[in-house]
This record gives sequence, C-alpha cells and structure tokens, in this order.
Amino acid sequence: AQSVTQLGSHVSVSEGALVLLRCNYSSSVPPYLFWYVQYPNQGLQLLLKYTSAATLVKGINGFEAEFKKSETSFHLTKPSAHMSDAAEYFCAVKTNFGNEKLTFGTGTRLTIIP
Amino acid sequence: DAMVIQNPRYQVTQFGKPVTLSCSQTLNHNVMYWYQQKSSQAPKLLFHYYDKDFNNEADTPDNFQSRRPNTSFCFLDIRSPGLGDAAMYLCATSRDSYYEQYFGPGTRLTVT
Repeated sequence: AQSVTQLGSHVSVSEGALVLLRCNYSSSVPPYLFWYVQYPNQGLQLLLKYTSAATLVKGINGFEAEFKKSETSFHLTKPSAHMSDAAEYFCAVKTNFGNEKLTFGTGTRLTIIP
Repeated sequence: DAMVIQNPRYQVTQFGKPVTLSCSQTLNHNVMYWYQQKSSQAPKLLFHYYDKDFNNEADTPDNFQSRRPNTSFCFLDIRSPGLGDAAMYLCATSRDSYYEQYFGPGTRLTVT
C-alpha cells in the first residue's frame, strides 16, 4: 500500500520569501513521486516528478524537490515566491510495478502575502 | 499543441437527469482516467481505461459509467445525478502505467 501525507493544509509566505511545502510518503516498494499544482477552476498541472533518477528534481516555474529516502520525504521548494504561485499543491505517489493508480495527498493551499 | 480537452467546462443538470461529460486527447496515450474532485479535497479516482480494458474502483457508485469508443475519446455518464454528485470532474491521460498523468481543465458539474 502507498500513501502520502502533506503537512500543513494552508501555508502563507511573503512575496520573495522561500516556499517550502512538505510531503512525506509511505511505500513498500520504490516510489514514483509527483507534485501537481491546481489553480482555481482548473485541472492539475504537473510541476515535477521523481522516477528513481536524480534525487534533486527541477520543475517548471522555478520549483524543485528533493527525494530523501532516509526521511521518506519529497518536499517542494522555491527560493523566491511570486504572487502567481498562489494555488493548491498536491503531492502524489505511485509505484513502478504497473499500478496505474496515483495516490494523492490532501493538498496544501499556498497564499502569497504582498 | 497536444492536450487533454474536456467539454463542457461548466455543466448544470437537474436532480435525476442523466448527464454525459466528454474528454478527448491528442496525446495518443493508452490510459485515460476519470477523477471526481469535491471542494478543498484531493481528486478521487472513479475508473480508468487501459486501452479498451475498463478498470472500476471498488467504491465508485453504480450511478457512474464510462465509455471509451476509441483512443482519443472517453465519456463519463452519470445516470441519475444526486446533489452529492456536484463536483469538478477531471479527465487525465498517461502514456502507460509507468508514466505521469496529464490532466484536462475539468468540468464543473452543478446539480439543481
């Protein structure tokens, strides 16, 4: 079984400050990990993915995430927040054993303070 | 641009009146998914097609059906919508089971 826990349903940061969104996973086999962003009344857009290659993954819009097996974490960061980053962020996990199912975390709503 | 398209973006239906939501893709992906997302919640997988093989989630109500007439199109049919079915419905595709999913913009369903 696999699961994802996102710590903090709401995160607020000032414009220009560091963004850190936390994601911890549980999986009995090596996982694939994803971060998606969702703007109001829109679908989910893939930010980045980890698929057992480099542990530091760079994505779109200046975001990156680091896979840490020892901590079972895949936290999302961005050095300098922009107003346009305000959105809902979902961490998701799937295994690489032909399981098509993505397991999503409960999401983190990011608010940017001007 | 290759993409996942959902029509309509907003759908209003009456309680008990059947409704069909549409999804099409130009990515030529093998797998197509339907998710239900309620306000402030994560998407919940309803079912998916791997090519023509239909895979239903155990907790998906019988009220929800799906059709995939060809690679490009997939439909979600709600036979008798209830007020609790009001939600955003998201379609997604992936090349194969190992790959990431690409989502459409969603259809927001209102039940009156």
